[in-house]
Amino acid sequence: QSVLTQPPSASGTPGQRVTISCSGSSSNIGSNTVNWYQQLPGTAPKLLIYSNNERPSGVPDRFSGSKSGTSASLAISGLQSEDEADYYCAAWDDSLNGWVFGGGTKLTVL
Amino acid sequence: QITLKESGPTLVKPTQTLTLTCTFSGFSLSTSGVNVGWIRQPPGKALEWLALIYWDDDKRYSPSLKSRLTITKDTSKNQVVLTMTNMDPVDTATYYCAHDGRAGTTRAAFDIWGQGTMVTVSS
Repeated sequence: QSVLTQPPSASGTPGQRVTISCSGSSSNIGSNTVNWYQQLPGTAPKLLIYSNNERPSGVPDRFSGSKSGTSASLAISGLQSEDEADYYCAAWDDSLNGWVFGGGTKLTVL
Repeated sequence: QITLKESGPTLVKPTQTLTLTCTFSGFSLSTSGVNVGWIRQPPGKALEWLALIYWDDDKRYSPSLKSRLTITKDTSKNQVVLTMTNMDPVDTATYYCAHDGRAGTTRAAFDIWGQGTMVTVSS
């Protein structure tokens, strides 16, 4: 059971906008920033969004993040087939004194 | 260019101790704000954070695994070593090490990951 809660799956058609939610608590998302990771099939995770809404160099601006209270969201606009992957949210947890991850959301591009 | 690579046994027996090494390049673990973490992923399951070591040798462990984990660094060799005692089949997973260059700030994140190493626990 992951500390952060994500929907297990999401889907969309090419060109659509999809959002993935991540719910936490006051000790993690409520008091710290949220990061998002993309894991393509058979590969290591890759940092997609950090500090709630910042994109590392090279990440397309189709990807955006937001946070409100104890929840966060990842939005992908102009969905492409290569976006089909697992997405994980993560945040530092002050009570656990360590990183916590969400259970992951499998995105399918129909 | 920052790179990390995990190495260690692919198969361990139950009750044995696992020792994994993360060999990295492109940064120094003696630089302020840098840390290296270990994260694992059982087959078909989610990521799970295990441990973290900071540039100043401060360490953090997952509370659920703290009694079994030890993380150390060898700055001269650019290596971080994770040991996990009393291995069990449920510990079968891909183990990743990852770099965070902004530890302790609001921008902290694992920005570069190793390729991962699969460890199977079986007799």
